[in-house]
Amino acid sequence: KNEVEQSPQNLTAQEGEFITINCSYSVGISALHWLQQHPGGGIVSLFMLSSGKKKHGRLIATINIQEKHSSLHITASHPRDSAVYICAVGGGSRLTFGEGTQLTVNP
Amino acid sequence: GAGVSQSPSNKVTEKGKDVELRCDPISGHTALYWYRQRLGQGLEFLIYFQGNSAPDKSGLPSDRFSAERTGESVSTLTIQRTQQEDSAVYLCASRTRGSGEQYFGPGTRLTVT
Repeated sequence: KNEVEQSPQNLTAQEGEFITINCSYSVGISALHWLQQHPGGGIVSLFMLSSGKKKHGRLIATINIQEKHSSLHITASHPRDSAVYICAVGGGSRLTFGEGTQLTVNP
Repeated sequence: GAGVSQSPSNKVTEKGKDVELRCDPISGHTALYWYRQRLGQGLEFLIYFQGNSAPDKSGLPSDRFSAERTGESVSTLTIQRTQQEDSAVYLCASRTRGSGEQYFGPGTRLTVT
């Protein structure tokens, strides 16, 4: 069993739909990160959170420390949101990554 | 300001040759990380630098892999006697002291033929 598991692995949505990507982890962490990897390979950090909820534009990230679970929500999805979304957990010096969720938003 | 830069962006090498990959972190970022992403797979941690010391090098897959960092600036990842399984995108990230957010470079795509 991976230390960080994401679901779904692949997700196809129509423009405008509400998207949820889930992340469960089995290790103790100091923070959880959501990253976005563009089709060209570049990686952008979306959120880093250790409790509660954060919002940035149409993106919302939540974390439940007791349940070791986080969700990334995208409201009013758009084709430019198409990317791989990666959950990563960190405790100390290193990040441990999930396998990623491939999101495709069709116009 | 400039982000994290890596060079070369692409490298094709023959099996058995040595390669050196370079990372220039954001100025002032004390922590630097190397990761590897094989085709179709997730990111793997390789090594972490705090300043020029490497308190965690547990992710280096074999003794063919080594890395060094000059002060709080440039880092090089060296792979000796490359093998085909070393083919991957090698990503570097940096962060400032007191912040957990990592800023990623564009990566170096290494192909070992």
